[in-house]
Amino acid sequence: GENVEQHPSTLSVQEGDSAVIKCTYSDSASNYFPWYKQELGKGPQLIIDIRSNVGEKKDQRIAVTLNKTAKHFSLHITETQPEDSAVYFCAASIDNYGQNFVFGPGTRLSVLP
Amino acid sequence: DAGVIQSPRHEVTEMGQEVTLRCKPISGHDYLFWYRQTMMRGLELLIYFNNNVPIDDSGMPEDRFSAKMPNASFSTLKIQPSEPRDSAVYFCASSAGLAGYEQYFGPGTRLTVT
Repeated sequence: GENVEQHPSTLSVQEGDSAVIKCTYSDSASNYFPWYKQELGKGPQLIIDIRSNVGEKKDQRIAVTLNKTAKHFSLHITETQPEDSAVYFCAASIDNYGQNFVFGPGTRLSVLP
Repeated sequence: DAGVIQSPRHEVTEMGQEVTLRCKPISGHDYLFWYRQTMMRGLELLIYFNNNVPIDDSGMPEDRFSAKMPNASFSTLKIQPSEPRDSAVYFCASSAGLAGYEQYFGPGTRLTVT
């Protein structure tokens, strides 16, 4: 079955710096890759996603890149702010409907003021 | 919209007791998901429904777990009998469609089985 790895497990950056989180997946059939942000005591919230037919997608300070050949995708956050501090999860879909996800273990991002 | 509503927010029960978690999805959403989150296993999909019909329950850990969706606005996840290893945060999520449609998560139910 699909296996999603995520690195690093924790990441601390200074406010204003960039943060990069990387994920790899094992199933070449996976075709949809969302990223979720989870704040303390809350449920995960979608922040950006990418389909397998796209190499890069950007939304303001957040971007995601996908390398299908290497089976890895990355989240890039620029100009980090304290409110970016949270746990970030990558995921890969394992069914044709793009709704059954395998999640990575998460990255705890701390943005230091 | 109030978002996905889950109840209770916290549940403490003794081993062997029955536990029922409840979820009200966002109105108009056709898909409903139940997830479990633990430190050891991370975020796992247990089961999901489309138009009140279970589509994939391969993530349900064992027969002690059951889920129902009697109508479009209500779902339950039941554990009977509960065990300490069931302690986790259980999330319900809903979405309006297939890939590319955001799954909206509820605030979760923190279950502690002593």
